[in-house]
Amino acid sequence: GENVEQHPSTLSVQEGDSAVIKCTYSDSASNYFPWYKQELGKRPQLIIDIRSNVGEKKDQRIAVTLNKTAKHFSLHITETQPEDSAVYFCAAAFTGGGNKLTFGTGTQLKVEL
Amino acid sequence: NAGVTQTPKFQVLKTGQSMTLQCAQDMNHNSMYWYRQDPGMGLRLIYYSASEGTTDKGEVPNGYNVSRLNKREFSLRLESAAPSQTSVYFCASSDTGGQPQHFGDGTRLSIL
Repeated sequence: GENVEQHPSTLSVQEGDSAVIKCTYSDSASNYFPWYKQELGKRPQLIIDIRSNVGEKKDQRIAVTLNKTAKHFSLHITETQPEDSAVYFCAAAFTGGGNKLTFGTGTQLKVEL
Repeated sequence: NAGVTQTPKFQVLKTGQSMTLQCAQDMNHNSMYWYRQDPGMGLRLIYYSASEGTTDKGEVPNGYNVSRLNKREFSLRLESAAPSQTSVYFCASSDTGGQPQHFGDGTRLSIL
């Protein structure tokens, strides 16, 4: 089955700096890669996703890049703000196989003032 | 529009007790999922239902059963709870074809 590795497990940045979280996946059939943000005690919420026919996607201060050859994808957050502090999860799925997500183990992002 | 609703929000059980976690979605989604979240391990898929009338095992199905009662509802049952099943359980739903999954607020389950 699919295996998703996520790094780093914790990340501390100064407000206004950029943050990058990286994930690798093992199954070359995976073609859907969402990112979720989870605040303490809350539900995971989708922040951005990318499909395998696209190399990069942006939404305001967040962007995701995908390298299918190397089987890795990354989340980029620019101009970080204290409200960006949360746990971020990457995931991968093959949409023809029931859309089952395999999640990474999460990155605790702390944005310091 | 409630999205995905899970009940109960909290529950404490004794080892060996049984319990059913309820999940309902009002987005007319075909697919529904049950995950468990443990510290440092992300979310792991327990069972999923690609469409009404079908269910399949995920990564960690042992000790659990599910029922897709209708298109809206997908329940998770622990027949004989064990301390290793202490976790936060999330239900999610999505359309088919690689659409985003929407999560409920979770059920925090402790088994003593």
